[in-house]
Amino acid sequence: KNQVEQSPQSLIILEGKNCTLQCNYTVSPFSNLRWYKQDTGRGPVSLTIMTFSENTKSNGRYTATLDADTKQSSLHITASQLSDSASYICVALYNFNKFYFGSGTKLNVKP
Amino acid sequence: GAVVSQHPSRVICKSGTSVKIECRSLDFQATTMFWYRQFPKKSLMLMATSNEGSKATYEQGVEKDKFLINHASLTLSTLTVTSAHPEDSSFYICSAHRQGASGELFFGEGSRLTVL
Repeated sequence: KNQVEQSPQSLIILEGKNCTLQCNYTVSPFSNLRWYKQDTGRGPVSLTIMTFSENTKSNGRYTATLDADTKQSSLHITASQLSDSASYICVALYNFNKFYFGSGTKLNVKP
Repeated sequence: GAVVSQHPSRVICKSGTSVKIECRSLDFQATTMFWYRQFPKKSLMLMATSNEGSKATYEQGVEKDKFLINHASLTLSTLTVTSAHPEDSSFYICSAHRQGASGELFFGEGSRLTVL
């Protein structure tokens, strides 16, 4: 069964700290994996997109990793800011034509 | 970068009326667009896949006569909530698939529907 699971479901950290969000997928055949940030009441915005041949990709303070062998991805946020408070969604593309969404991790950065 | 525009961003209507939400891909052609519904503090729920020039594909449990989808051009898909009821109040989001090597998926800003 094709699916994407994210953990933790929610996370609270202090401003300035680092954190790592996890994504496990069983989508096969796998085309690519992407991370999105969704602020409350807004549409998701793309952070990174990686194909199976890419191990890591950075976007500012966001660094995504991908292990195609274990079918795991992580999103690491460095030196968190209050504006990082949002939901982070992992999405796997199946066979270049169907997207599978994780349920998201809700991150709350506190001052 | 590519932008997907969604309109209106907020709409309030009376029970029994129909509401149309538009989703436009502004700088690329999208043969496939998607419509989602999102309840407060919940994840995105895919409602249907909108295919240009053909009928939409609805997810299980989504009433196609209730949520009419039209994808008449490569840059526009519309979602019409027919005979809206208070339980239809929700946040509706569209996305457009720009096909290619990376297969990027761009989201609209969402439309908040409130049915009185």
